[in-house]
Amino acid sequence: NAGVTQTPKFRVLKTGQSMTLLCAQDMNHEYMYWYRQDPGMGLRLIHYSVGEGTTAKGEVPDGYNVSRLKKQNFLLGLESAAPSQTSVYFCASSYSPGLAYNEQFFGPGTRLTVL
Amino acid sequence: GQSLEQPSEVTAVEGAIVQINCTYQTSGFYGLSWYQQHDGGAPTFLSYNALDGLEETGRFSSFLSRSDSYGYLLLQELQMKDSASYFCAVLMDSNYQLIWGAGTKLIIKP
Repeated sequence: NAGVTQTPKFRVLKTGQSMTLLCAQDMNHEYMYWYRQDPGMGLRLIHYSVGEGTTAKGEVPDGYNVSRLKKQNFLLGLESAAPSQTSVYFCASSYSPGLAYNEQFFGPGTRLTVL
Repeated sequence: GQSLEQPSEVTAVEGAIVQINCTYQTSGFYGLSWYQQHDGGAPTFLSYNALDGLEETGRFSSFLSRSDSYGYLLLQELQMKDSASYFCAVLMDSNYQLIWGAGTKLIIKP
């Protein structure tokens, strides 16, 4: 099993350009998440999905859009990139969070620089 | 709002024991998680405490006290490969989101 994969691994954009980050998981997880991680900080949730066809906003959703057309894929879009979106982006997936157990599985990350 | 506080850096010696603390100000959460992240890598799950008390997994243990708004991760028999950042995170009961601390960088010296 590949687990959680992300493409691309690295990307450099100019201000105003758009791009889509792709996340795929082969563990049949219902929940999928997009986080960003800035230097010296923890992860902040951008958007998440609780199942195919559903999406919801996290802590820092502005400037991003997402789609979950298939259960195994979760796409993150930047319509007009800004330097403030320079970050490392992680995708994660999990089974439905339970009261007794909760584990998220992470992809390797995408390092995005916006000039 | 919710916030979690961790020391930014902890230094320990190989073979020793180290405790990484996490204090939180949040209401209504299901449990406290710990994740490890090596430089340039992705976070990986270590433990989850749904109930107060100690959870042990090999060399790692995690503790939660809801009455004290406090938890910790205990690493025993430290190895050089344990050099990494460690994050605590709470699972909110309002929306099942994880809220993360800023992380603790663990430096291990020979």
